[in-house]
Amino acid sequence: AQTVTQSQPEMSVQEAETVTLSCTYDTSENNYYLFWYKQPPSRQMILVIRQEAYKQQNATENRFSVNFQKAAKSFSLKISDSQLGDTAMYFCAFSLTPAEYGNKLVFGAGTILRVKS
Amino acid sequence: DGGITQSPKYLFRKEGQNVTLSCEQNLNHDAMYWYRQDPGQGLRLIYYSQIVNDFQKGDIAEGYSVSREKKESFPLTVTSAQKNPTAFYLCASTEGNSPLHFGNGTRLTVT
Repeated sequence: AQTVTQSQPEMSVQEAETVTLSCTYDTSENNYYLFWYKQPPSRQMILVIRQEAYKQQNATENRFSVNFQKAAKSFSLKISDSQLGDTAMYFCAFSLTPAEYGNKLVFGAGTILRVKS
Repeated sequence: DGGITQSPKYLFRKEGQNVTLSCEQNLNHDAMYWYRQDPGQGLRLIYYSQIVNDFQKGDIAEGYSVSREKKESFPLTVTSAQKNPTAFYLCASTEGNSPLHFGNGTRLTVT
């Protein structure tokens, strides 16, 4: 069974600074997807970034980037130029490919990020 | 606009009563999912369905039931057998290898 671990229950960062959220996972599979989702106080789940395990290049989306270390089973999220709107719970998640495995997501427990002005 | 609608946003029930949470999507997605969210535990999969008239148990299916009679609808019933039903429930859908698209959730409180 796959597991996802987020070891930082809470973090804070000053506005405009950079913060990195940690995530490790455990799987014996070779092909999979990794995700970071953001859940603001509205509780809407918003996809931040997705990484395909077979791609060595780290995914980036504007101010969000990941450091994917497949051998170490590590998938950290870096947020640059933090903004007040980044305040949210961040979840790391894992799913197997291809889609016939059900696209089931396994989530970590989450990290609460607070951006301070 | 396409999306997933969960209703109601807040739901209150007395202990011992069954309650059904609604999830409707107009994204034409084949696969739909129900997740439960508790504080400090992330999201856990209750049930999922990859096609109409078929569904599978997730990690915490006990005390829940679902149906998938139509592609756009995947209601979740929380039965009286669920020992700890108070939680936030999220419905999601997807197609192929696309990321999951989530609804806004239903907060269920059982007293």
